[in-house]
Amino acid sequence: GENVEQHPSTLSVQEGDSAVIKCTYSDSASNYFPWYKQELGKGPQLIIDIRSNVGEKKDQRIAVTLNKTAKHFSLHITETQPEDSAVYFCAASRGQGAQKLVFGQGTRLTINP
Amino acid sequence: EAGVVQSPRYKIIEKKQPVAFWCNPISGHNTLYWYLQNLGQGPELLIRYENEEAVDDSQLPKDRFSAERLKGVDSTLKIQPAELGDSAVYLCASSLDPLGSTQYFGPGTRLTVL
Repeated sequence: GENVEQHPSTLSVQEGDSAVIKCTYSDSASNYFPWYKQELGKGPQLIIDIRSNVGEKKDQRIAVTLNKTAKHFSLHITETQPEDSAVYFCAASRGQGAQKLVFGQGTRLTINP
Repeated sequence: EAGVVQSPRYKIIEKKQPVAFWCNPISGHNTLYWYLQNLGQGPELLIRYENEEAVDDSQLPKDRFSAERLKGVDSTLKIQPAELGDSAVYLCASSLDPLGSTQYFGPGTRLTVL
């Protein structure tokens, strides 16, 4: 089955700097890659996703890139703000949609003022 | 629009006791998921429902876990008997349909087994 590895497990950056989180996956048939943000005491919330027919997607300060050949994808957050502090999870799924998401282990991002 | 509702938010029980978690998905969402999230880990799928049918329960430990979604709306996940290793957060999510649609998560139920 699918296996998703996420790095780093913790990341601390200065406010205003950029943060990058990377994930690799094992199943070459996976074609849907969402990123979730989880704040303390809350469930994960989708922040951006990408499908395998696209190499990059951007939404304001957040971007995701996908390299299907290397089987890895990354989350980029620019101009980080204190409210970006949270745990971020990548995930991968086969098929047309998000039926069976396999999540990475998570990255705890801390934005230092 | 109301999000996914879960109750209780917290539950503390003794080992070998039964426990049940309830989830009400977003109105109109046909697909419902139960996930297990251990401390410091990502969520792991336990079971997925399409309306009232469990279409993927391959990860559900059926010796002690059971789930139901009788009318295709809200759902209950039960553990009987609970073990110490069951301490975790149990997340419910829903999506409009399984194909290409976002999963929306509830806040979860934090279970502590003593």
